[in-house]
Amino acid sequence: GAGVSQSPSNKVTEKGKDVELRCDPISGHTALYWYRQSLGQGLEFLIYFQGNSAPDKSGLPSDRFSAERTGGSVSTLTIQRTQQEDSAVYLCASTFTGALYEQYFGPGTRLTVT
Amino acid sequence: GQQVMQIPQYQHVQEGEDFTTYCNSSTTLSNIQWYKQRPGGHPVFLIQLVKSGEVKKQKRLTFQFGEAKKNSSLHITATQTTDVGTYFCAPEGGNTGKLIFGQGTTLQVKP
Repeated sequence: GAGVSQSPSNKVTEKGKDVELRCDPISGHTALYWYRQSLGQGLEFLIYFQGNSAPDKSGLPSDRFSAERTGGSVSTLTIQRTQQEDSAVYLCASTFTGALYEQYFGPGTRLTVT
Repeated sequence: GQQVMQIPQYQHVQEGEDFTTYCNSSTTLSNIQWYKQRPGGHPVFLIQLVKSGEVKKQKRLTFQFGEAKKNSSLHITATQTTDVGTYFCAPEGGNTGKLIFGQGTTLQVKP
């Protein structure tokens, strides 16, 4: 596959449950971002992985959110004890390191917390 | 942290009219990217501007970077229904290497 893929495309979960969202970036891309987009809103930065450097976690809204990137490739965003306000589309993007390269976005995971 | 203001938030135009969205920052930007997100889709890269006063064109779209590198604009000439979507500006946040996305301008085009 040539693009960024994300799974699942849709996730409905009950309040209080944990969820894992997966992102498969474009092969060779060294940087990976997670964003959150609530209905009709802009992109909220969550976390940024850049090569082997420590991730920039400055956008994570609470300690219920965590992410890891294994082997410099696949990334997983975990939300523990989900709340209704976590409902949103979670977008992953990959690129080369630095802000001079375009970001390639995946189709997103729509999370609904009931 | 660095933030950008994008205006207007929404714009409704008749097909054939022109459209402009503006991205303003209180600090000098090193570079800026623009993205388009169609309804139900994900953001797609349009252009990157790096130089002061830079102007780039893509068919009916004209992108500008201000002389002071504190603002940028996207102008669409003679809009078409295919232009519908949300347009985001995304400058680099300081020297962090990451982009800071504006809130976007949502364009509706009446046929």
